[in-house]
Amino acid sequence: DGGITQSPKYLFRKEGQNVTLSCEQNLNHDAMYWYRQDPGQGLRLIYYSQIVNDFQKGDIAEGYSVSREKKESFPLTVTSAQKNPTAFYLCASSTDSGTEAFFGQGTRLTVV
Amino acid sequence: QQPVQSPQAVILREGEDAVINCSSSKALYSVHWYRQKHGEAPVFLMILLKGGEQKGHEKISASFNEKKQQSSLYLTASQLSYSGTYFCGTEHRGSTLGRLYFGRGTQLTVWP
Repeated sequence: DGGITQSPKYLFRKEGQNVTLSCEQNLNHDAMYWYRQDPGQGLRLIYYSQIVNDFQKGDIAEGYSVSREKKESFPLTVTSAQKNPTAFYLCASSTDSGTEAFFGQGTRLTVV
Repeated sequence: QQPVQSPQAVILREGEDAVINCSSSKALYSVHWYRQKHGEAPVFLMILLKGGEQKGHEKISASFNEKKQQSSLYLTASQLSYSGTYFCGTEHRGSTLGRLYFGRGTQLTVWP
């Protein structure tokens, strides 16, 4: 079955540590996105990529980094520079404009 | 560029109707609607495209007023399964197509 997979579902890290969230899709989608969700805030775009080896900052990119070495994979690194990293992170993919975005199940990151 | 959703929350009895509105300050190319249950991934409901074309997967209707830069989602004869948070996502003309800006969400609760 085609889909988009995020792992792990829950992640705990100590303050000051970098952590990488995985996102893999087998839908053959060109575009992939990372969103952060906080209570009452909606989904805010961190980074997006429309093609392999290219990506753009979204609205809240500070303290995050990404790579897009393969079409199927778009990992997100939450660095120690991110001031408030505890949140629910969602990865999504789509084929083109005007088409639905498919979301992964999310990773809930807790930094203590 | 975040669209504004209203109302913030709705409480219904099973069988009642609801309308959720989404308004943008920017010219729209398309409007996407998603529903999210707590702790889960958003699920696609509908896309409304410039020119009036609709693409949806459920028995939920919506409207798209390009001139007013608004969309409304109509939930009729609500069921318990309709409970969740509804998000609109907007694609803007003049912006990167495929990139969505999400509203803060409307929390819908349906009681038996």
